[in-house]
Amino acid sequence: GAVVSQHPSWVICKSGTSVKIECRSLDFQATTMFWYRQFPKQSLMLMATSNEGSKATYEQGVEKDKFLINHASLTLSTLTVTSAHPEDSSFYICSATGQVTEAFFGQGTRLTVV
Amino acid sequence: KQEVTQIPAALSVPEGENLVLNCSFTDSAIYNLQWFRQDPGKGLTSLLLIQSSQREQTSGRLNASLDKSSGRSTLYIAASQPGDSATYLCAVRPGSGGGADGLTFGKGTHLIIQP
Repeated sequence: GAVVSQHPSWVICKSGTSVKIECRSLDFQATTMFWYRQFPKQSLMLMATSNEGSKATYEQGVEKDKFLINHASLTLSTLTVTSAHPEDSSFYICSATGQVTEAFFGQGTRLTVV
Repeated sequence: KQEVTQIPAALSVPEGENLVLNCSFTDSAIYNLQWFRQDPGKGLTSLLLIQSSQREQTSGRLNASLDKSSGRSTLYIAASQPGDSATYLCAVRPGSGGGADGLTFGKGTHLIIQP
């Protein structure tokens, strides 16, 4: 299957700082990228959908000013968690879809805000 | 709103057994259904993708079926091995967006294969 690379795999940051997570499709052009969040023992929840060159579409309840998404190219999307708080600690994972509508996922990022 | 339920939540069986994981969804208007494997603290590995027009897909010891009208899918694992131990996730993509929408996930089945 296609390869999606997510970086970093884990990060610890201080409360009030911002953290950027990168998601890259390595061997295909991702027309759409998705960002999910997973709390312990819960299912993955879709946060937002981004298409290259356009603004992201956020799911209900997800603050767009807090979770900034940029999809500047067909191979790269970034998620920036701004002014992070301990309640933002979670597992964030991206997914990319190209011409084939099979979803390929990155390795995920474990964010811990202290 | 689409809801995906997976049963059982956890399963522990001896090595070598065949087993079935169940997934149900409330809105049958799906584009496709995908089964994933997730190891602790890791990302998701796609196992099988079934398009809405298909009834089943097979890959090695894995077979997934789809009954869209009744909102059900099963993942059959033959001759289970300890390396199959993981959490198995079922996810559906809505049919309204032409395949461009995000997935709705179940909570997963935590599978342990005892050596």
